[in-house]
Amino acid sequence: DADVTQTPRNRITKTGKRIMLECSQTKGHDRMYWYRQDPGLGLRLIYYSFDVKDINKGEISDGYSVSRQAQAKFSLSLESAIPNQTALYFCATSGSSQGARTFFGQGTRLTVV
Amino acid sequence: GEDVEQSLFLSVREGDSSVINCTYTDSSSTYLYWYKQEPGAGLQLLTYIFSNMDMKQDQRLTVLLNKKDKHLSLRIADTQTGDSAIYFCAASSTGFQKLVFGTGTRLLVSP
Repeated sequence: DADVTQTPRNRITKTGKRIMLECSQTKGHDRMYWYRQDPGLGLRLIYYSFDVKDINKGEISDGYSVSRQAQAKFSLSLESAIPNQTALYFCATSGSSQGARTFFGQGTRLTVV
Repeated sequence: GEDVEQSLFLSVREGDSSVINCTYTDSSSTYLYWYKQEPGAGLQLLTYIFSNMDMKQDQRLTVLLNKKDKHLSLRIADTQTGDSAIYFCAASSTGFQKLVFGTGTRLLVSP
């Protein structure tokens, strides 16, 4: 089983719809992250959470919200999807020690039409 | 904030060495990473280096760090077609795992 599991893997949705991307991890880590990947822009941090009660905005949080339902679960929501949110979304988790390795999910390809 | 830059594309022949370069701006970046992304796949950590090191070698991979110039490179010896992928440089500061990624370098290896 994968250490970080994202669902769904692919999703097509219409403009204005609400959509939730889910992420779960089996590493027992406190820290979880959501990144967005666009061609030519690399990965950009949307939100991150250092524990269940800690949620922080990343570089590009506008239009997104998150929920940390449990240590192992971190979901990303688009309240009203727009076409420029079409991207590949990655969830990640890491330990809290210095230099701890970050583990990534397989990604969710989201298309907003 | 941190800014990480890479060239977008590199093409080499099979058997040659590949060198992928990366520059970063934040001198407090303590951990520097190289990730590989194959088509349709997530990110695979290839190697990493701490800022108190100049070089790290791991089989065909050699990472060089010039901390003064904030320049990081990844050398792949005897490049194979299976090495074709996008390679991301990433940096993080002490105590944090918020990674700042470069734009990614697409490596194309031709037979």
